[in-house]
Amino acid sequence: GEDVEQSLFLSVREGDSSVINCTYTDSSSTYLYWYKQEPGAGLQLLTYIFSNMDMKQDQRLTVLLNKKDKHLSLRIADTQTGDSAIYFCAELEGSQGNLIFGKGTKLSVKP
Amino acid sequence: EAGVTQSPTHLIKTRGQQATLRCSPISGHTSVYWYQQALGLGLQFLLWYDEGEERNRGNFPPRFSGRQFPNYSSELNVNALELEDSALYLCASSDDRDRGVSNQPQHFGDGTRLSIL
Repeated sequence: GEDVEQSLFLSVREGDSSVINCTYTDSSSTYLYWYKQEPGAGLQLLTYIFSNMDMKQDQRLTVLLNKKDKHLSLRIADTQTGDSAIYFCAELEGSQGNLIFGKGTKLSVKP
Repeated sequence: EAGVTQSPTHLIKTRGQQATLRCSPISGHTSVYWYQQALGLGLQFLLWYDEGEERNRGNFPPRFSGRQFPNYSSELNVNALELEDSALYLCASSDDRDRGVSNQPQHFGDGTRLSIL
């Protein structure tokens, strides 16, 4: 079945760039998403990309999509301590409507 | 614009009891999705309701059920609660009136934390 993989942890220094990677298996995925979850909270939609795009930039966030390798990345420029959270990659499962999530990458930002 | 709201924030039950969780979507959104976030299992899709109908269901037993009301709000019911049902239950909504034409992403509430003793 469809699967989404992410590394579990990432630690960076404040001011550096963070790059969170994700691989997915469903080649028919039309949209791919990045969500952020802070402790005790729900999921906050950060950004998403349509599968016919290679890149999308939104302020400090850059999403890169390599459809051939089924690889998605989220780059956060000038990472701040407030960016510390768990970041989830998700793909939309075709016409089924539901999202398939990775297990999340915990980003720790050191001052 | 108010976001997705869920109630209650926390719910404590014992094994065998029944739980009802509620969700109000963003105004204008017609689809509601339920996900379970259990420790060690990640986020798993439970149910999708659109225009009052169940459109899709995840790999969960029938004791997980729900409904969507005419005002698009939704309830998730879990019967015969088991210890492993302890989890954060997240509701999301999207505006699917143009489904197939454009994507409308799912927006999530803060969840209901269900604890089974």
